Amino acid sequence: ETGVTQSPTHLIKTRGQQVTLRCSSQSGHNTVSWYQQALGQGPQFIFQYYREEENGRGNFPPRFSGLQFPNYSSELNVNALELDDSALYLCASSTPVPVYGYTFGSGTRLTVV
Amino acid sequence: AQTVTQSQPEMSVQEAETVTLSCTYDTSENNYYLFWYKQPPSRQMILVIRQEAYKQQNATENRFSVNFQKAAKSFSLKISDSQLGDTAMYFCASSLYGGSQGNLIFGKGTKLSVKP
Repeated sequence: ETGVTQSPTHLIKTRGQQVTLRCSSQSGHNTVSWYQQALGQGPQFIFQYYREEENGRGNFPPRFSGLQFPNYSSELNVNALELDDSALYLCASSTPVPVYGYTFGSGTRLTVV
Repeated sequence: AQTVTQSQPEMSVQEAETVTLSCTYDTSENNYYLFWYKQPPSRQMILVIRQEAYKQQNATENRFSVNFQKAAKSFSLKISDSQLGDTAMYFCASSLYGGSQGNLIFGKGTKLSVKP
């Protein structure tokens, strides 16, 4: 069984630019969630996708958007990057009811300069 | 709204000894899950142990066990026979039963160092 893979692993962007992060879910999982983890903090929930629709959102502005594809992979898009967007972005996949928990990828480290 | 609090920013333990990490949470729901995740320097969150709130029996996974006190909203993690590979950040998290509220709410983490 394949786990969750994220790409790229590291990324440097300039303030005001746009970025797309990618995630492939674990086999058998159809729900994908994205989290932002600032340095020294716990992850914060951005949003969740189920059946290609956004299915729950945390306290993040609309410039954070996403997509889920028929194969359950997902993208996180961030427009108009700000310095505070610098963080580790984690993707997690699960079944709709997380009976067995969530499987995380290794994250994308985004640095905005 | 759910909240998760970890009051120990850092802890250390000698190899082979036992350590307990604390976690308290708050929720108005009756059905939820609780988790402990480990995050080593490789950054990947690894599930250590999970507990379903309706189960009174404390979960156990090899050297890892929890003390789940539902009335007190407490969910501590005990690591027995600590190993050098246990050195990592440990996050306590809660989740409702899925759907649009099935996301994880994390605490701020406890940095555990296992010393030889």
